Amino acid sequence: EVQLVESGGGLVQPGGSLRLSCAASGFTFSSYWMNWVRQAPGKGLEWVANIKQDGSVKYYVDSVKGRFTISRDNGGNSLYLQMNSLRAEDTAVYYCATTDYGGNAAGCWGQGTLVTVSS
Amino acid sequence: QSVLTQPPSVSAAPGQKVTISCSGSSSNIGSNYVSWYQQLPGTAPKLLIYENNKRPSAIPDRFSGSKSGTSATLGITGLQSGDEADYYCGTWDSSLITVFGGGTKLTVL
Repeated sequence: EVQLVESGGGLVQPGGSLRLSCAASGFTFSSYWMNWVRQAPGKGLEWVANIKQDGSVKYYVDSVKGRFTISRDNGGNSLYLQMNSLRAEDTAVYYCATTDYGGNAAGCWGQGTLVTVSS
Repeated sequence: QSVLTQPPSVSAAPGQKVTISCSGSSSNIGSNYVSWYQQLPGTAPKLLIYENNKRPSAIPDRFSGSKSGTSATLGITGLQSGDEADYYCGTWDSSLITVFGGGTKLTVL
């Protein structure tokens, strides 16, 4: 069964750091671009970052550039998001998702992990 | 403010057809494929349409997609109560980011 399981969310103070993980199973993790997508409470989807199969190419939304870093461990079938200098507006459910369909479409999503930035 | 524009809400009766529009620009929809996602309350998004009009194998043919110029449309026929959800369009943008619409809430009357 194809599965993505996120972990690492929680409550953090403004200016703090958090590292999210996404464990992949049931497919050849190293063959796909991977994404982080977030959803603030009651709001729509916002793409955060993605990373190429070998980790050599990464893209970020402007609002997280310089603060967040996406990375992956193909040997351990894991995706990561290191989040530094967190702000209240980073509060959201963070999903990892696989670009496993043509046209940059994400067919597999995790259940999400909630990050709350508050003092 | 989302890069792609969707109506906030649409509604229709069971059994009827509904369409959801997604408007963008030449830098995103105009030059890239569009995908559509369904998000049921409290769950992760689910891919409905990719490459403008293709369906993953598990998605019924009640769901369809089309694209013309800088706009795309999701169609749903034979509406069911279980279709009540938020729907999002998404695509790649030439600024090297993925962009989503603001989402459309579908209500089955």
